[in-house]
This record gives sequence, structure tokens and C-alpha cells, in this order.
Amino acid sequence: ETGVTQTPRHLVMGMTNKKSLKCEQHLGHNAMYWYKQSAKKPLELMFVYSLEERVENNSVPSRFSPECPNSSHLFLHLHTLQPEDSALYLCASSQLAANTGELFFGEGSRLTVL
Amino acid sequence: AQSVTQLDSQVPVFEEAPVELRCNYSSSVSVYLFWYVQYPNQGLQLLLKYLSGSTLVKGINGFEAEFNKSQTSFHLRKPSVHISDTAEYFCAVSDVYNQGGKLIFGQGTELSVKP
Repeated sequence: ETGVTQTPRHLVMGMTNKKSLKCEQHLGHNAMYWYKQSAKKPLELMFVYSLEERVENNSVPSRFSPECPNSSHLFLHLHTLQPEDSALYLCASSQLAANTGELFFGEGSRLTVL
Repeated sequence: AQSVTQLDSQVPVFEEAPVELRCNYSSSVSVYLFWYVQYPNQGLQLLLKYLSGSTLVKGINGFEAEFNKSQTSFHLRKPSVHISDTAEYFCAVSDVYNQGGKLIFGQGTELSVKP
């Protein structure tokens, strides 16, 4: 098993659909993150969960709804998205006790909104 | 607040030539430094990291980086690149005392290796 697994790898959805991205980490970490990576733009940190509590929400529109049911799983629920939401969504995890900030990334979910 | 600047957005280079990707960060007393690589349609993979000790850090795939505290730089180098090194490279820094280990990323440098 790879350290951080994201599913699906590719997703195409219409603007009225509801879908979810899933992330699972097998590293025993206690913090998880969602990043958005758009073409020609810097990485954007969306959400941070620390010990299953949301500790950061960087002004993300409400059409993105994160969920962290336990320290190993993280979801990003999507509804009523816009074409500009098309991007690569990256999940990452870290071990808070290490205090280095080092992140372990998944392969990403490529989202296309039609 | 901590910030990271990658001075080159694109670096084209011929195969077997040396390459240097530049990274500067804003001044801080103590930092941890990282380089990540992202191959097309993949996530970010750790290339190397500086936590403490020797300022010259060796990573995977023949890459190395040197921490220069006086110049607040952490440039990435490889003496001879391969076509397979074509990817985007991200420099990142965490400020140990002020941000609780939160990682700050640069904007990325696209390395394009040509035959």
C-alpha cells in the first residue's frame, strides 16, 4: 500500500452534480490537508485537519465541504461546482509531533467541471 | 510571515548538462527546508530535506541542495540531467518557531530537459 491514496484519480462532473474525493493515509499521521493545484498557479492550501479537528479553512467556497471521520481518512464533498474549480486536488498528511512541516502527498484527483 | 521565492518559473536545459534551480526564503532564525518534485499528472514527491547538520544535502535521483543561511537560499543542483528529470520542482520552508511547522511553498520551477 502506498502511503497516501486518493480516489478517484480522474473525475468529470457537471455543474449540478454532487461527488466526493477520498483520501486515505497509511502512515499513522495525525494531520491531513487538501490542496488545490490549478494550471499556472501556485499550490493553494484549502483545509487542514489536526487530530480530526478542522484547524484551517482558507476562504474556500462552501461548495467544497471537507470531512475527516478519523485520522486516516479525509473527504472532499463537491456540489454545484464551477468550471474554474477544474484542477488537481492533492491530499497530504503529516505527523504533528515531528514539527518539521514535512508533508506526504497522494497522487492527486484530477477534476474537470463541465 | 515566511515566504519562498523560486526565481525561475521555467528552466530549459539539454540532456547531460548541469542544472541549478534557485530558491530563496525570507529570513528566519530556524527553518526546515524541502525540495519536492512533481512529475506530470502525479502528486508531489520529496526529493530532499534539510533539518539540521551538514548544509549540503543529498537527495534521490542524484540531486543535492545547499543551505546557505547568510543568503537565505536553498538552491537545488544536479551535475548531469536526464530526460526523465523533466518535471516541476517546488521549494518549501517551515518556520520552526512562528508557524508550528506549517509548510510554505514556492511557486514552482518547471524543468524541461531536451535531447
